[in-house]
Amino acid sequence: DAKTTQPNSMESNEEEPVHLPCNHSTISGTDYIHWYRQLPSQGPEYVIHGLTSNVNNRMASLAIAEDRKSSTLILHRATLRDAAVYYCITYSTLTFGKGTMLLVSP
Amino acid sequence: NAGVMQNPRHLVRRRGQEARLRCSPMKGHSHVYWYRQLPEEGLKFMVYLQKENIIDESGMPKERFSAEFPKEGPSILRIQQVVRGDSAAYFCASSRQSGTSGGAGYNEQFFGPGTRLTVL
Repeated sequence: DAKTTQPNSMESNEEEPVHLPCNHSTISGTDYIHWYRQLPSQGPEYVIHGLTSNVNNRMASLAIAEDRKSSTLILHRATLRDAAVYYCITYSTLTFGKGTMLLVSP
Repeated sequence: NAGVMQNPRHLVRRRGQEARLRCSPMKGHSHVYWYRQLPEEGLKFMVYLQKENIIDESGMPKERFSAEFPKEGPSILRIQQVVRGDSAAYFCASSRQSGTSGGAGYNEQFFGPGTRLTVL
């Protein structure tokens, strides 16, 4: 199983960049890496995904290690609305795990 | 373009009753996933369905739980003879194509708002 490992929680200040790490050392060569986030009392929402190359979209950037055993979700300027649980998953198992709870302080 | 819809949003059942949770995928989506989230826990995959087919039910408990996605109508997650331990939030997601590496693993899942089941 291509499981992922993330820190339980991270803290940031508003307007600062946030780097959320994820280890997926057993990922297979064809597995995409997806990030979702879940705000309190809501369903998860898609953030970004990638396979090998770094990816950017309006929400975030995804940096994927060359060996693909880890990746980092980058929020360039955290806002209070970014406070959520962030999940990193690989699609072979659809296992979300407990994710990283991001706390953002004003 | 309506998103994934789930109903009811809240469901209260007494022990031994049946719970039926419905999920209507986004328009054009033919793949549905069900997840369970216990309090203070992450999402646990339960089952992945395509129209009229169960593709992966590796996360479903062996007894009392069943799921279907008929040709017409919403996907249903059915829990028979509910127990207190079934109290959780149940989320449904849909995607346009396969969400697993066996298919197009780049297709994002769109989640519904969830059904919060409380068993008294």
